[in-house]
Amino acid sequence: SAVISQKPSRDICQRGTSLTIQCQVDSQVTMMFWYRQQPGQSLTLIATANQGSEATYESGFVIDKFPISRPNLTFSTLTVSNMSPEDSSIYLCSVEDIQGRATNTGELFFGEGSRLTVL
Amino acid sequence: GQQVMQIPQYQHVQEGEDFTTYCNSSTTLSNIQWYKQRPGGHPVFLIQLVKSGEVKKQKRLTFQFGEAKKNSSLHITATQTTDVGTYFCAGRQSSNYKLTFGKGTLLTVNP
Repeated sequence: SAVISQKPSRDICQRGTSLTIQCQVDSQVTMMFWYRQQPGQSLTLIATANQGSEATYESGFVIDKFPISRPNLTFSTLTVSNMSPEDSSIYLCSVEDIQGRATNTGELFFGEGSRLTVL
Repeated sequence: GQQVMQIPQYQHVQEGEDFTTYCNSSTTLSNIQWYKQRPGGHPVFLIQLVKSGEVKKQKRLTFQFGEAKKNSSLHITATQTTDVGTYFCAGRQSSNYKLTFGKGTLLTVNP
């Protein structure tokens, strides 16, 4: 499996500010994703982080609000911009397809998550 | 777009009782995955089902994939307190690689 480190693990933010979440993987991976999980809810895909190009956003999510970087095969960042209380959520980095691994079955590995509270 | 429905939303059982959660997709799936998320934790992959009618077992957990590849179930025999958590199914469409997660079933177990 992959070890995925996310930081910050939690933060309390003021309305109108922006916060960048980092995701570091201990292996090179083909696919990196950012999910949002609101309290007691399911996981909603925000975007696919593409190495060296713009992220692919899902319906309802836009680059201006959630800019994403992926400079290499092991690292990505998600910024939550101009935050409002509605952005309070857990943001999860996940990866698929660990390069060099004998078998990749399409399973997702998740980071521990970043719990944001916006006041 | 693809929808994945999961029921029940909550299930409370006495330790030793069985538990089942059901997942139904609006479209035919290429495969379905199951994840477990402990309280305060992150989702952890349990299993993937690919074949029509497939049944897989992991100790007390039994996973099934429907013949039409549109529904799935997870059954836990004789629940234990360590089974507590939210169980998510996630379906992958044939046409693209994206996973769509169900809303999850929160299982609580009374010792």
